Amino acid sequence: TQLLEQSPQFLSIQEGENLTVYCNSSSVFSSLQWYRQEPGEGPVLLVTVVTGGEVKKLKRLTFQFGDARKDSSLHITAAQPGDTGLYLCAGWYNNNDMRFGAGTRLTVKP
Amino acid sequence: EAQVTQNPRYLITVTGKKLTVTCSQNMNHEYMSWYRQDPGLGLRQIYYSMNVEVTDKGDVPEGYKVSRKEKRNFPLILESPSPNQTSLYFCASSLVRGWGTQYFGPGTRLLVL
Repeated sequence: TQLLEQSPQFLSIQEGENLTVYCNSSSVFSSLQWYRQEPGEGPVLLVTVVTGGEVKKLKRLTFQFGDARKDSSLHITAAQPGDTGLYLCAGWYNNNDMRFGAGTRLTVKP
Repeated sequence: EAQVTQNPRYLITVTGKKLTVTCSQNMNHEYMSWYRQDPGLGLRQIYYSMNVEVTDKGDVPEGYKVSRKEKRNFPLILESPSPNQTSLYFCASSLVRGWGTQYFGPGTRLLVL
């Protein structure tokens, strides 16, 4: 069973700070997705990365896929209170088996 | 509006009383799945369906049943609920299994006493 580790589990920062969330596996992903979940709602897809070394940007969010496709990171620049939420990574292995990380609960204080 | 709906949103029941959580999607998606979300464990897949009449076990299928008689509906059945099935449940759908976007329902919070 492939395991997908996400860190940190909790993160509390002040508005304007930068942060990085990590997602790691011992196995190679065929693709990796990042979701954001707000209280009382289901996860919503932010991005999908497929190619090793790929970098995608979504406004102040930067997503990076490791060269070996075993890890990924989410970097938020100048965090805002509206970024508060649960961030989940989800890795597909051979397009057939999917695992979610446990999530990073981010709180951005004004 | 493209969406996945679940009902009920909240449910309190007692051990052993059969219940069904409904899930419906209006996007003509072939792939549907059920997850449970527990603190510190993330989302774990219970069952998934590749298409009508095609279902398969996920990581934590024990104590659950599903059916896929129509493309749009994918109900989750707990024949004899137990307290360890207290959790937050999500239904999701996507066009295909794989790297495509999964659309999640709003969740069903279940408490089994």
